[in-house]
Amino acid sequence: QVQLQESGPGLVKPSQTLSLTCTVSGGSISSGVNYWNWIRQHPGKGLEWIGYIYSSGSTYYNPSLKSRVSISLDTSENQFSLRLSSVTAADTAVYYCAKDLTYSLRGFDPWGQGTLVTVSS
Amino acid sequence: QSALTQPASVTGSPGQSTTISCSGTSSDIGSYHYVSWYQQQPGKAPKLMIYDVSKRPSGVSNRFSGSKSGNTASLTISGLQAEDEADYYCSSYTSSSTLVFGGGTKLTVL
Repeated sequence: QVQLQESGPGLVKPSQTLSLTCTVSGGSISSGVNYWNWIRQHPGKGLEWIGYIYSSGSTYYNPSLKSRVSISLDTSENQFSLRLSSVTAADTAVYYCAKDLTYSLRGFDPWGQGTLVTVSS
Repeated sequence: QSALTQPASVTGSPGQSTTISCSGTSSDIGSYHYVSWYQQQPGKAPKLMIYDVSKRPSGVSNRFSGSKSGNTASLTISGLQAEDEADYYCSSYTSSSTLVFGGGTKLTVL
C-alpha cells in the first residue's frame, strides 16, 4: 500500500523559501489517476489545503497562496515537492502531504506523518 | 473561500450516538456530493473517515456515518467509545475547484 513521508528543513528564515519533499513508497507517483496534495495546519488550528499536482504534472493551487506556491514532481525519485516563497511567521505550521483516495479533492488517504516548519530568524 | 462552520466542541457518553454538523454554502456543500470527514488524534496526521458524503474507506468502522441536507453535512458516530475522542474536521469541494475545511470539532467522550 502507498505510504508518504515528508522531509525538509524544520526552520526557515523570514523572506526565504520553504522547500519540502514528500517521498512516496508502495506505488508509482506518475502512474494512474493520482492527485498528490500538500495541506498545512497552523499550531493549534485547523487544516488548510495548499494545492495538488496530478500524476501528469498539472497543478492547482489554493488561490490564497497561489502567488507564492509551486508543487513539482520528481518521477525518478518517486517524490513530489512543495516550494513556498517569501515566508513569514504566518507560514509556521505542520505541513502534510497526502494522496487523494479516488479523485481530485474528494478525500485524502493516505497522509504523511507531517513535518513542523517554523519560520523564525 | 470561507471555512466551513463546525461546533467547537461536542460531548457524548460511551455507548450513545453523537452528531457533528458542518455548515457551508451553495458554493460548496450545497452543490457537490464531495464532503469528507477526518479524525485527528493529538500529535497525529488526520485520518479519512468519510468521503463523498457517506462512503467509508476500507477499515473504517461502520459506527461512523455521514449525510448531507442542503448546505449542511453531518457526521454521526454511534456506540461512542473512548477511542473516538479526537478532533474532527469536515471538508468540501468548492465551485472554485478548490477545497475548504471546517474549523474542527473537539469530541469529548465522558
